[in-house]
Amino acid sequence: GIQVEQSPPDLILQEGANSTLRCNFSDSVNNLQWFHQNPWGQLINLFYIPSGTKQNGRLSATTVATERYSLLYISSSQTTDSGVYFCALPLYGNKLVFGAGTILRVKS
Amino acid sequence: DAGITQSPRHKVTETGTPVTLRCHQTENHRYMYWYRQDPGHGLRLIHYSYGVKDTDKGEVSDGYSVSRSKTEDFLLTLESATSSQTSVYFCAISALGHPNTEAFFGQGTRLTVV
Repeated sequence: GIQVEQSPPDLILQEGANSTLRCNFSDSVNNLQWFHQNPWGQLINLFYIPSGTKQNGRLSATTVATERYSLLYISSSQTTDSGVYFCALPLYGNKLVFGAGTILRVKS
Repeated sequence: DAGITQSPRHKVTETGTPVTLRCHQTENHRYMYWYRQDPGHGLRLIHYSYGVKDTDKGEVSDGYSVSRSKTEDFLLTLESATSSQTSVYFCAISALGHPNTEAFFGQGTRLTVV
């Protein structure tokens, strides 16, 4: 089946720093979702991005489907950005295959 | 926020007892899913439903059963809970089964089997 790998597994940032999270996948896909799991465990939809670039405030995402990767950029990080970031790819029936996640800790 | 409610939010149960988790949606979405989250694995699909009374297995379905008697409710049952089923369980919904459809998640149920 499709393989999804995220890097880095852990990341510690000082508040105000920028970061890039990567998601590599093994097969061509029709879509990709990025999620943020906050410290309370809630999964928050960030981006729904099959290709190209999308921006939402300090966050942006780029998917290059032909090269099988997606990047999530966080600029001017804040402590509220802490948590786990997941990318997920849909199979038939919109069943999602998740990466193992990147744990982000932003220190004040 | 998508209208998804999971109950209970937390549960502790003993090995060998049956447990049922409920997912209720108010979005009238056709597709519903149950995932479990364990350290180092992200989320993995247990079962999903593509309509009332229509369900199918996911990646980690052993030891679980599901039922969907109406559009808004999707139940996950552990017939005889084991310690390996200690996990956080998430329900998700999707309007369509097409990959070009955004999925939304409930708040999760933390289950501990002792």
